[in-house]
Amino acid sequence: DTEVTQTPKHLVMGMTNKKSLKCEQHMGHRAMYWYKQKAKKPPELMFVYSYEKLSINESVPSRFSPECPNSSLLNLHLHALQPEDSALYLCASSPTATYNEQFFGPGTRLTVL
Amino acid sequence: SQQGEEDPQALSIQEGENATMNCSYKTSINNLQWYRQNSGRGLVHLILIRSNEREKHSGRLRVTLDTSKKSSSLLITASRAADTASYFCATRGGTSYGKLTFGQGTILTVHP
Repeated sequence: DTEVTQTPKHLVMGMTNKKSLKCEQHMGHRAMYWYKQKAKKPPELMFVYSYEKLSINESVPSRFSPECPNSSLLNLHLHALQPEDSALYLCASSPTATYNEQFFGPGTRLTVL
Repeated sequence: SQQGEEDPQALSIQEGENATMNCSYKTSINNLQWYRQNSGRGLVHLILIRSNEREKHSGRLRVTLDTSKKSSSLLITASRAADTASYFCATRGGTSYGKLTFGQGTILTVHP
């Protein structure tokens, strides 16, 4: 299996909802990433996990809560989001955090009403 | 703020023509990568050039790097309609453990 999968593909939520995004890879990669991408903008790094431990948090608001329960799975828990948080959320992985190339999933399109 | 600036922001060409995109960056880097993103989808790695390299080829892709000018270019030769996508450069610096910083991107449209 050589891909990163993300579920759901689309998510619509209200500002008071709690939801989660899921990312999975079975390539044996030990680094996983969350990026946020607004329309017509480049991806912006949110979090980096290395060997299931959070190694980088790019000053992301606490309404975004990442979790890495095992080496294959990465979650992003969402709570009390704002409409400006609407974006494409991309997950990526790489063999290690020092490996150059990152492998991206197709993303989850999030709309916050 | 984003490391890289790309130009042009948008490029429209006919099939068979060559497409050139440029990327500039601000700080020292270990390497520079180019990624492609089809509309609203994930990114796909295209090619990587290291800071001690000046030019690299992969199929119809040619990448150059000028560290003195802090700039890179991506040339796609004999373009096809399937090349229509957004193209981003991404840089990694010496201390950027796990962190890729993306340029603003170029939207390429290839007309059949």
